[in-house]
Amino acid sequence: AQSVTQLDSQVPVFEEAPVELRCNYSSSVSVYLFWYVQYPNQGLQLLLKYLSGSTLVKGINGFEAEFNKSQTSFHLRKPSVHISDTAEYFCAVSEGQGGSEKLVFGKGTKLTVNP
Amino acid sequence: ETGVTQSPTHLIKTRGQQVTLRCSSQSGHNTVSWYQQALGQGPQFIFQYYREEENGRGNFPPRFSGLQFPNYSSELNVNALELDDSALYLCASSFSLAPGETQYFGPGTRLLVL
Repeated sequence: AQSVTQLDSQVPVFEEAPVELRCNYSSSVSVYLFWYVQYPNQGLQLLLKYLSGSTLVKGINGFEAEFNKSQTSFHLRKPSVHISDTAEYFCAVSEGQGGSEKLVFGKGTKLTVNP
Repeated sequence: ETGVTQSPTHLIKTRGQQVTLRCSSQSGHNTVSWYQQALGQGPQFIFQYYREEENGRGNFPPRFSGLQFPNYSSELNVNALELDDSALYLCASSFSLAPGETQYFGPGTRLLVL
């Protein structure tokens, strides 16, 4: 079974600073990776996903992530954060199981952007 | 295009009671998955429905059950509620079962069991 580790439970940064949220997954032959964002009292919104091809994936709101197969990582980055990026971020891997496709999530990283 | 909707938004129940949560899939989506998100945790897969049939289940007991209707809306039923069932319940719909297909999440139902 797949597993996802988000190495930082909380990341505080100042506005306009760069940020990296780290994610590692357990090894597999092929893997599909996702980053979701959850704003307070809301559901999950897809930021970006990696299926195949270019290892650098661009998403919404200026976020991007890099797939690194050798390090089994899929870190999320943004060069300059805004107050509005304050939210919880979840890394997930898609796992096929008997014909179903489920998402296996990490525990999340709470990003707090301070003025 | 209407997104995924869930009802109710909040619910308070007592231990031993039963609860039904509802989800309306995004238009054109035939697959719905349910997840439980406990406080401070990532979502955990409960089960998935595809064209009205259960199509995979996570590590949850049988008192968690579901239905998917011909219009692809869905219900999650939980019997004999326990205190640990207190969580945010998320419904997600997707266009198909294809590997890597994006799952679109609803806003969730927050259940508190007293």
